[in-house]
Amino acid sequence: GQNIDQPTEMTATEGAIVQINCTYQTSGFNGLFWYQQHAGEAPTFLSYNVLDGLEEKGRFSSFLSRSKGYSYLLLKELQMKDSASYLCAALDSNYQLIWGAGTKLIIKP
Amino acid sequence: NAGVTQTPKFQVLKTGQSMTLQCAQDMNHEYMSWYRQDPGMGLRLIHYSVGAGITDQGEVPNGYNVSRSTTEDFPLRLLSAAPSQTSVYFCASSLQEDGANVLTFGAGSRLTVL
Repeated sequence: GQNIDQPTEMTATEGAIVQINCTYQTSGFNGLFWYQQHAGEAPTFLSYNVLDGLEEKGRFSSFLSRSKGYSYLLLKELQMKDSASYLCAALDSNYQLIWGAGTKLIIKP
Repeated sequence: NAGVTQTPKFQVLKTGQSMTLQCAQDMNHEYMSWYRQDPGMGLRLIHYSVGAGITDQGEVPNGYNVSRSTTEDFPLRLLSAAPSQTSVYFCASSLQEDGANVLTFGAGSRLTVL
C-alpha cells in the first residue's frame, strides 16, 4: 500500500533550527510536496522536490532522497509565526497525491 | 483575483439532511478537487475533475456527488448527511492534473452532522 509517515508533533525554540522528516512508500514517484497549514486555515504551498538534493528557499529548505524514500523540511531562524502544521505529500505514478497526517510544530519563546 | 472561494465556512446539519458546498475559482484552472481533513489523518481525496464536464472518484467518494458544468465551479453535494461526514472540507485547484502542479486551496468548510 501507499503510505506517508511524519512525526505527529514537534516543539522548538524561537530562533532555533528544526528538521521535520517524512518517509514515503508509493507506487511510483513523481515528486514530493511540503505544505504549511496554520490552525483553522487552508494549506499553502512551500516546496516541491523531484530530484535528489537540497532546495533552499529563504529560511526554509527541503531535501529529497529518492533511493531512501525520505524527505525533510528544514526551518531556520524560527519565528513564532512558523507555528503551524507541515504536510508532506508524495505524487505517485498516476499523479495522485498521497498525504501524510501532518506534523504540528510548536514554537516556544 | 480571489483564488478559490468556498462557501459556507461553517454548517451544522441533522442526519439525513442534504446540502451543497460551493467552490469557485477564477484562475482558469482545469483541475479541481474536493478533500476532507480529519484529525490524525492526511487529506483524503473525495472527487476531482480535470475539466468542465469531466468528474471522477477519489479515495472516499461514497455519500458525495459532484458536477462540473463550468471551468469555474465545482460544487460538492451531500445527499443524505451522516455523522461520519463531520469533517473539514477543502476545495483545491491547479492548472493541470499531472506534473508538479501546485494546489491552491479554498479556506475550508467545517461541517458538523448531528
